[in-house]
Amino acid sequence: DTGVSQNPRHKITKRGQNVTFRCDPISEHNRLYWYRQTLGQGPEFLTYFQNEAQLEKSRLLSDRFSAERPKGSFSTLEIQRTEQGDSAMYLCASSLGTSGGAQFFGPGTRLTVL
Amino acid sequence: GIQVEQSPPDLILQEGANSTLRCNFSDSVNNLQWFHQNPWGQLINLFYIPSGTKQNGRLSATTVATERYSLLYISSSQTTDSGVYFCAVERLGAQKLVFGQGTRLTINP
Repeated sequence: DTGVSQNPRHKITKRGQNVTFRCDPISEHNRLYWYRQTLGQGPEFLTYFQNEAQLEKSRLLSDRFSAERPKGSFSTLEIQRTEQGDSAMYLCASSLGTSGGAQFFGPGTRLTVL
Repeated sequence: GIQVEQSPPDLILQEGANSTLRCNFSDSVNNLQWFHQNPWGQLINLFYIPSGTKQNGRLSATTVATERYSLLYISSSQTTDSGVYFCAVERLGAQKLVFGQGTRLTINP
């Protein structure tokens, strides 16, 4: 069990640029989640996948954000035309089975938009 | 949506002391997890405890689902226990964790 991995761990970008993050879940886990955490706050849900299907998106996920999980394995989160307010820690989690299963988190990608 | 309240927001203790962190939630849940966030930001799973009591070394947790609260106990605190502790719940029928604001624990030597 190698755990959830995320890349890159840190990303510094200029306002207006596009960025893409990757998450590799625990191999047998069919559910994958993205959360965002800003300084001093708890993580907030962005979206989740069951296998390759994106089943729920938060209102926090504006039109500039898009997430994919093309083969039901790894996932990518892209932010287009970044804004300073996008600066945050982006966390990925995975779980096995149906609703209510324990979620396991990756180390996160810390995004700084200058 | 479901509300999750953690108390206290901050706790400062001397090494060796015991501590109790509380998590109240406003609706029925089918998942409750306690996490410790390390200085690099990673959420470390402590307990998956939608109901009942569990123990792991110096840590234990109890969730009373009917009364909608959970407690995390840390005994004989060590400086390495410092950090932010989060409670997160998944409401029945929902598919996401909702986090509390966290308790920042500082253990002084």
